[in-house]
Amino acid sequence: DAGVTQSPTHLIKTRGQHVTLRCSPISGHKSVSWYQQVLGQGPQFIFQYYEKEERGRGNFPDRFSARQFPNYSSELNVNALLLGDSALYLCASSPPGAQAVGYTFGSGTRLTVV
Amino acid sequence: GQSLEQPSEVTAVEGAIVQINCTYQTSGFYGLSWYQQHDGGAPTFLSYNALDGLEETGRFSSFLSRSDSYGYLLLQELQMKDSASYFCAVRDKESGGSYIPTFGRGTSLIVHP
Repeated sequence: DAGVTQSPTHLIKTRGQHVTLRCSPISGHKSVSWYQQVLGQGPQFIFQYYEKEERGRGNFPDRFSARQFPNYSSELNVNALLLGDSALYLCASSPPGAQAVGYTFGSGTRLTVV
Repeated sequence: GQSLEQPSEVTAVEGAIVQINCTYQTSGFYGLSWYQQHDGGAPTFLSYNALDGLEETGRFSSFLSRSDSYGYLLLQELQMKDSASYFCAVRDKESGGSYIPTFGRGTSLIVHP
């Protein structure tokens, strides 16, 4: 079975531009979460979606948005990019149920804003 | 809000035992997880403790004391491949029914031959 897949793997954008990152969860997993990881720090929570509904939102500006599709894949959108948005963006999926305690992460999208 | 504290770096030699500590502050605690991340890689789930005590999985063990808001990851028979960053993460009440872990800043483990 395929793991969590993210695309693209690397991306270079200019300040002020918009970016869309994509994630496909493990088959059967209905929950997708997005994290931002700046070099040398732990992943910071951005969004969680479950069954196409937003279940949680981290402390990120409105420039960040996301959605989940009927096939449980997800997109993270960032508008008006800033230099500080340069980071590794991680997508994680988890199976349904309150007992789901471990996330499976994708390899991430490395975003560089210049 | 939540806060987690873990050492920034730990060094050890191959074959040794190392303990990575994590202390946390959170409004409503459900459990503590540990993840491993190699340079350039994705975080990989290692273990989860919801109750006090020790959970053992092969060479890795994780411990939790809810009364002390403290946990640790114990790595035995260290191998070079264990060199990586290790993150503790809390699952707390603020996340509601969804599991939304909050991660610490990570501990860089360097294993020397």
